[in-house]
Amino acid sequence: KAGVTQTPRYLIKTRGQQVTLSCSPISGHRSVSWYQQTPGQGLQFLFEYFSETQRNKGNFPGRFSGRQFSNSRSEMNVSTLELGDSALYLCASTTGGNSQETQYFGPGTRLLVL
Amino acid sequence: AQTVTQSQPEMSVQEAETVTLSCTYDTSESDYYLFWYKQPPSRQMILVIRQEAYKQQNATENRFSVNFQKAAKSFSLKISDSQLGDAAMYFCAYRRRGNNNDMRFGAGTRLTVKP
Repeated sequence: KAGVTQTPRYLIKTRGQQVTLSCSPISGHRSVSWYQQTPGQGLQFLFEYFSETQRNKGNFPGRFSGRQFSNSRSEMNVSTLELGDSALYLCASTTGGNSQETQYFGPGTRLLVL
Repeated sequence: AQTVTQSQPEMSVQEAETVTLSCTYDTSESDYYLFWYKQPPSRQMILVIRQEAYKQQNATENRFSVNFQKAAKSFSLKISDSQLGDAAMYFCAYRRRGNNNDMRFGAGTRLTVKP
């Protein structure tokens, strides 16, 4: 099976712009979780989508949003970008059954906000 | 809220030697899962080992084993016969039982392997 894929891999934006990142889970996986990784804050959970519904949400402002499509692919959007949004954004997938499952991570999208 | 603490920002080990990475966590839950993930320079997060809190037996995966002390809320990772390819950031993570995939990560330990 192909692994989790994320596009684009690298992105440069300026403050105030918006950005959309994409994540395609492993075939058959219905849950997609998003994480932000920064040197200062480490790895932080953004949100999880399961069967096109947001199931869990971390402590991030409303500028961070996401959605999931019927084929389980997920997108996350960040509006009105700030310098502090520069980070590696990771997504992970599971079949979504329960927390016993291992999360498989994608290679990440590195976002730089200038 | 659950927190995960890795008190060793950096560790180094000689090739073929053994190293132990520390992790403690704080939770009021009794049923949860603990993980060690490896993140090499490629940034791909790779699962190293997982432990179910209800299992007393420590998990092992080839050269990797854990020392899980539930009462002390401690979850250390032992890497035996260290190899150059083990060099990476290692993250300890916690996830409570239930229909959620919200993992809490520690700050990470950077492991260097010396030839």
